[in-house]
Amino acid sequence: DARVTQTPRDKVTEMGQEVTMRCQPILGHNTVFWYRQTMMQGLELLAYFRNRAPLDDSGMPKDRFSAEMPDATLATLKIQPSEPRDSAVYFCASGPGAGSSYNEQFFGPGTRLTVL
Amino acid sequence: GNSVTQMEGPVTLSEEAFLTINCTYTATGYPSLFWYVQYPGEGLQLLLKATKADDKGSNKGFEATYRKETTSFHLEKGSVQVSDSAVYFCALSEPGRRALTFGSGTRLQVQP
Repeated sequence: DARVTQTPRDKVTEMGQEVTMRCQPILGHNTVFWYRQTMMQGLELLAYFRNRAPLDDSGMPKDRFSAEMPDATLATLKIQPSEPRDSAVYFCASGPGAGSSYNEQFFGPGTRLTVL
Repeated sequence: GNSVTQMEGPVTLSEEAFLTINCTYTATGYPSLFWYVQYPGEGLQLLLKATKADDKGSNKGFEATYRKETTSFHLEKGSVQVSDSAVYFCALSEPGRRALTFGSGTRLQVQP
């Protein structure tokens, strides 16, 4: 049963610390997305990759956030330095990008980040 | 820009009641439309989708029809169960851009 995995599931840190979240997309999927979910803003797109190349990161605060795909099996989202307003659940999703399911996305369980 | 508007929740129903969750959208092109469901503590799961006007998506007793003339994609189920209690998100994606634009979500609570 293929699924997207994310680590850690929960992270509590102090303001100013670096946070790294990791995602393993479903094998064979060529699109990867990072979303952030908060009560106030709902679900927002942070970044979007196709074939490991960033296509859209306009939703991401550039001064503190960075997203990369070092290889096809790993996507990372880093926050440095973290701030209390970054507290949210961060979801990674992957999609096949082709075939009859080309526009579907499969979500990981999320990383719940709390910045004190 | 694109946007999705969903009815405010929570929606509270008794088991076996009929469910409708309204969703309307604004898009510049001809988007694909989706319903996702989120159970407590979990990620989102695709419930159903429709890719063109008049398409009907269906899954697990849920249905939604892509209505271009009213820019709507309302979710319906004839008889809800307690296990359907979750948050439901309507979403769209524009052709050529895979990223999803989500509505604010509607919490459904089904009571025995």
